[in-house]
Amino acid sequence: NAGVTQTPKFQVLKTGQSMTLQCAQDMNHNSMYWYRQDPGMGLRLIYYSASEGTTDKGEVPNGYNVSRLNKREFSLRLESAAPSQTSVYFCASSAITRNEQFFGPGTRLTVL
Amino acid sequence: KNEVEQSPQNLTAQEGEFITINCSYSVGISALHWLQQHPGGGIVSLFMLSSGKKKHGRLIATINIQEKHSSLHITASHPRDSAVYICAVRIGSNTGNQFYFGTGTSLTVIP
Repeated sequence: NAGVTQTPKFQVLKTGQSMTLQCAQDMNHNSMYWYRQDPGMGLRLIYYSASEGTTDKGEVPNGYNVSRLNKREFSLRLESAAPSQTSVYFCASSAITRNEQFFGPGTRLTVL
Repeated sequence: KNEVEQSPQNLTAQEGEFITINCSYSVGISALHWLQQHPGGGIVSLFMLSSGKKKHGRLIATINIQEKHSSLHITASHPRDSAVYICAVRIGSNTGNQFYFGTGTSLTVIP
């Protein structure tokens, strides 16, 4: 099993550009999450999907959209990137929202 | 406002030492999660607990619900234990509730 995979690993964008971060899991988990990690701050939840077909906002959703394409895949879209969105983005999954989470390797995004 | 506080922020130890990392939280929780983040950035789940104590190899996690405190202990530390250790708490028991993460404790174990 690959666990949780993310693409790309690194990305540089210019302000105003758009991009989609992809996440997939092969553990048959119901719940998936997108986090951002910034220096000096803990991981912060952007959006999550408790189950296929549902998505909900987390702590810092502004500037992002998500799609739960199917049970395996959960994508994060930046419609108009801003320098404040420079961060490391992690996708995670869990069997259900009450369970421990398994993390992908992360995407390092720089917005110039 | 940070619901989760970890201490120390940084810790350097000699190989073989017993290590303790602390996590305090300010609200009632339904679960606490300890994670390990390696220098390459990958995050691995170590423990999830809601009461008592769990042990896995040289790692031990304890939680005191009344005192709103958890500790992660590493016995016989080794340089490969060098990583950032992150505490996260889940508030509430409904499916919509999320984890709140501490900023991590950076551990360096010197040979």
